[in-house]
Amino acid sequence: NAGVMQNPRHLVRRRGQEARLRCSPMKGHSHVYWYRQLPEEGLKFMVYLQKENIIDESGMPKERFSAEFPKEGPSILRIQQVVRGDSAAYFCASSPPMGEQFFGPGTRLTVL
Amino acid sequence: AQTVTQSQPEMSVQEAETVTLSCTYDTSESNYYLFWYKQPPSRQMILVIRQEAYKQQNATENRFSVNFQKAAKSFSLKISDSQLGDTAMYFCASLIIQGAQKLVFGQGTRLTINP
Repeated sequence: NAGVMQNPRHLVRRRGQEARLRCSPMKGHSHVYWYRQLPEEGLKFMVYLQKENIIDESGMPKERFSAEFPKEGPSILRIQQVVRGDSAAYFCASSPPMGEQFFGPGTRLTVL
Repeated sequence: AQTVTQSQPEMSVQEAETVTLSCTYDTSESNYYLFWYKQPPSRQMILVIRQEAYKQQNATENRFSVNFQKAAKSFSLKISDSQLGDTAMYFCASLIIQGAQKLVFGQGTRLTINP
């Protein structure tokens, strides 16, 4: 049973470009969570999704950030018009309903 | 609102020594979990140990144990017989059982085990 997969592992974008981060949950997991880790800080919750539904997006910036978890395929975290402050490690976790969250290896986004 | 505080930014001990990492939290909920995660240089988040708030017995996983003081809202991690591979960032986290299921993390403690 493969773990949580994230790709790409490293992503470099120039200011103003779009960044798309993908997360494939563990088999059988229907819940996905996205967290952001700024340098030298702990992880901060961004959004919690179930298939085709956003359950809690209280940690998402109001502009430029969006997330989806379609019926088929991976969950996508999309950042439009990236700025230098978006540079961070973005972690995805998945779980069964009310179960333990398992983390992926993260995507390190660098904005030049 | 949930908050988690780790007041030790860095710690350093000699190999084979015992080290305790501190964590305090605040929540108005009665049903919650507490966790310690390890993040080595690879940046992978690894679950070290978990404690259910309704359990009075402190959780133990091999060399790792916790001191859970519910009234004081304290949740420290003890690492016995420390090893070089224990060198990592350690994060304390809480999760409310009923609700959005989001983990709330502390700021982390950078632990270095010296040979």
